[in-house]
Amino acid sequence: GAGVSQSPSNKVTEKGKDVELRCDPISGHTALYWYRQSLGQGLEFLIYFQGNSAPDKSGLPSDRFSAERTGGSVSTLTIQRTQQEDSAVYLCASSLVGDNEQYFGPGTRLTVT
Amino acid sequence: GENVEQHPSTLSVQEGDSAVIKCTYSDSASNYFPWYKQELGKRPQLIIDIRSNVGEKKDQRIAVTLNKTAKHFSLHITETQPEDSAVYFCAASFSPLGYALNFGKGTSLLVTP
Repeated sequence: GAGVSQSPSNKVTEKGKDVELRCDPISGHTALYWYRQSLGQGLEFLIYFQGNSAPDKSGLPSDRFSAERTGGSVSTLTIQRTQQEDSAVYLCASSLVGDNEQYFGPGTRLTVT
Repeated sequence: GENVEQHPSTLSVQEGDSAVIKCTYSDSASNYFPWYKQELGKRPQLIIDIRSNVGEKKDQRIAVTLNKTAKHFSLHITETQPEDSAVYFCAASFSPLGYALNFGKGTSLLVTP
């Protein structure tokens, strides 16, 4: 079946602009995660959605970052007033309820100039 | 989230030798420990995972051991092959439901023929 998809695959934006990154999880997966991977670094947890529960936002680095998940499926990560340090690959993952294995999307490479 | 420390950051072995990567974690509530392999330019993929009620798990040439008392877990790859060359990430769950992950910074493994 179809895996996790993300769009766009690449995004170049100017400092100060807002960006929206999209994630389509695997159908039927109720858990959705956003991570950030800077060059040569590990994955940094950003936010986690589980069904209709309140999301775990503990990893968001500043109030410029927000995410929503509509209808329990597609998620959008929004970064307002982008800064150069926001440049990274943003990875989305999804998993089944009660199943910890997370399946990753291909990522969105964000470059802030 | 809590820290996950991973060592070594780089590892070079000859084909056929074994490779061992070690991780430590600090959150005693962590109960799920996956390992991901990431090839250059690709998404992370789960290669093996272990849960807190198990001390060791093996899948062909790959094994993972967990010591909950000492809060460390290790990945063992035997009979390494050039196609094992990649970056390997360990992770530990930290959210109350045990789903969100803290990742180590990765180990770049090079297997030379």
